[in-house]
Amino acid sequence: DAGVIQSPRHEVTEMGQEVTLRCKPISGHDYLFWYRQTMMRGLELLIYFNNNVPIDDSGMPEDRFSAKMPNASFSTLKIQPSEPRDSAVYFCASSYREVEQFFGPGTRLTVL
Amino acid sequence: GQNIDQPTEMTATEGAIVQINCTYQTSGFNGLFWYQQHAAEAPTFLSYNVLDGLEEKGRFSSFLSRSKGYSYLLLKELQMKDSASYLCASLDSNYQLIWGAGTKLIIKP
Repeated sequence: DAGVIQSPRHEVTEMGQEVTLRCKPISGHDYLFWYRQTMMRGLELLIYFNNNVPIDDSGMPEDRFSAKMPNASFSTLKIQPSEPRDSAVYFCASSYREVEQFFGPGTRLTVL
Repeated sequence: GQNIDQPTEMTATEGAIVQINCTYQTSGFNGLFWYQQHAAEAPTFLSYNVLDGLEEKGRFSSFLSRSKGYSYLLLKELQMKDSASYLCASLDSNYQLIWGAGTKLIIKP
């Protein structure tokens, strides 16, 4: 298997623009997680899905963030409008049941 | 509240042994994970403990004491490539991972 795939790997955008991050989980995994990592706050869980259904989105910072999982092989995290404080590395991870999570390579987002 | 504590940074010498400690307080407990994260890379799984005791896997071992809310990761025969951050995470009663801030391990020749 190719592992968890994320795109783009790097994104530079200007404040106010819409940003869409994409994730393809490992085939057969039933959980998908979106994380954000910064030096100041470490690794933060934003939202996770079980069988394509959002289970807990309490980590989503505010209404500017939204996530979807239309099918078992694809998920998006959208930020609209983006702000400089959203600059971080965004990781997608997947797992079979709730145990070991496999992380994608991450998307490094810079909002100017 | 939920809390994971681990040292911010540690330094060790190549070839030596280092122990990274982690204490946790979470709502329920379903296991303790250790992940390794090299700079600018994704975290990768190292170990999972759910029962008390020591689990050995090559040069890396992980220990858990549920009664004390304590775990450690033991790295033997340190190599320069072991320089990384080590993240401790507790699986709570909702099967959600609660992450520590990570311990940055610096290996010196």
